[in-house]
Amino acid sequence: GQNIDQPTEMTATEGAIVQINCTYQTSGFNGLFWYQQHAGEAPTFLSYNVLDGLEEKGRFSSFLSRSKGYSYLLLKELQMKDSASYLCAVRDRRSSNTGKLIFGQGTTLQVKP
Amino acid sequence: DTAVSQTPKYLVTQMGNDKSIKCEQNLGHDTMYWYKQDSKKFLKIMFSYNNKELIINETVPNRFSPKSPDKAHLNLHINSLELGDSAVYFCASTGQTTYEQYFGPGTRLTVT
Repeated sequence: GQNIDQPTEMTATEGAIVQINCTYQTSGFNGLFWYQQHAGEAPTFLSYNVLDGLEEKGRFSSFLSRSKGYSYLLLKELQMKDSASYLCAVRDRRSSNTGKLIFGQGTTLQVKP
Repeated sequence: DTAVSQTPKYLVTQMGNDKSIKCEQNLGHDTMYWYKQDSKKFLKIMFSYNNKELIINETVPNRFSPKSPDKAHLNLHINSLELGDSAVYFCASTGQTTYEQYFGPGTRLTVT
């Protein structure tokens, strides 16, 4: 089966850097996704990692280590609007043709002034 | 010009009723999904259709029946609603040349 673990809540200060970790167990890995979800809104895509290493996209970066079953999302120069839930999701090889994603519980990030 | 749209946005109904939620995408995607997000914010896949064919059917009570009249539409009908069905239901879609899923705005279902 699959298991995805991420912290439930985090707090950080405006302008700072925060790292949200995600660990996963899957029988055959085929991609890890990060989504952002503001309260009362739909999840929106942030990043996709399938190979080891760091993917940078503006203030957001996502890292993957397949051997460790580990990913993190790094948010730099935090802004108040970054307060949201961040969802880690994994796709395994059996689901590659269906696109089925297994989501973690999400990490609620609160950015304080 | 909304990419993935759902109706209604809010649905309040009583136990035992039957209700439907509709989803439409104008992205030309082939695959559509229904997710359920409970009060603990877990987002769980329920169903998926690819070109009107059911490809994912998770362990969901058979009171839930999806229907895809064409590849741009995926509806969800729920019979004999129960209190535990209260949640936010999200529709999503993805295409053959894209890996991310695009989510609709969600339908907040409250069963009283």
